[in-house]
Amino acid sequence: GESVGLHLPTLSVQEGDNSIINCAYSNSASDYFIWYKQESGKGPQFIIDIRSNMDKRQGQRVTVLLNKTVKHLSLQIAATQPGDSAVYFCAENRSGDKIIFGKGTRLHILP
Amino acid sequence: DAGVTQSPTHLIKTRGQQVTLRCSPKSGHDTVSWYQQALGQGPQFIFQYYEEEERQRGNFPDRFSGHQFPNYSSELNVNALLLGDSALYLCASSLGPSGNTIYFGEGSWLTVV
Repeated sequence: GESVGLHLPTLSVQEGDNSIINCAYSNSASDYFIWYKQESGKGPQFIIDIRSNMDKRQGQRVTVLLNKTVKHLSLQIAATQPGDSAVYFCAENRSGDKIIFGKGTRLHILP
Repeated sequence: DAGVTQSPTHLIKTRGQQVTLRCSPKSGHDTVSWYQQALGQGPQFIFQYYEEEERQRGNFPDRFSGHQFPNYSSELNVNALLLGDSALYLCASSLGPSGNTIYFGEGSWLTVV
């Protein structure tokens, strides 16, 4: 069964505010996580990844936090823009590159 | 630098028919995986090909088969189509079968009627 899952199916954020999308996983042996963004009608787009030897990783306007104690990770998007509207998936990369996806959170940007 | 490319983008088939979907990996990549994404769901792993062999398989019936060619491109074949096979079929590629960033194509939308 799934080992990753998102807390909320939908998140609405005011344009310019920061967005935080949360995800939990169940397998304590999981060691490689990825966040994907999927816009309507397109394939998943790699955003950022993190391995279990780190607890934080930053990219351009995005930060991923990993809390191994409670098996939780989050994606933070700074200064959310209309182009950030999409479904966001947290995913686990199992050994051999089998990606296990959660159900996704749809991010709505309010004007 | 071309990303992962898939064809066709959309197609409609009738129950019982067979379909072949095609994928060219991102330049420099040698590993291809296929995923099925039903509406409103996350993608589900079908199988992975590396060195022209199926290396991993998800929980999909034998009606789903694949192939990888010497140029690393790949095909996904589905036989005896069911209505429930209607989905977005995604191809993903990476360099090597383990540990490197995986990139997805835009997918092939299959509708079975």
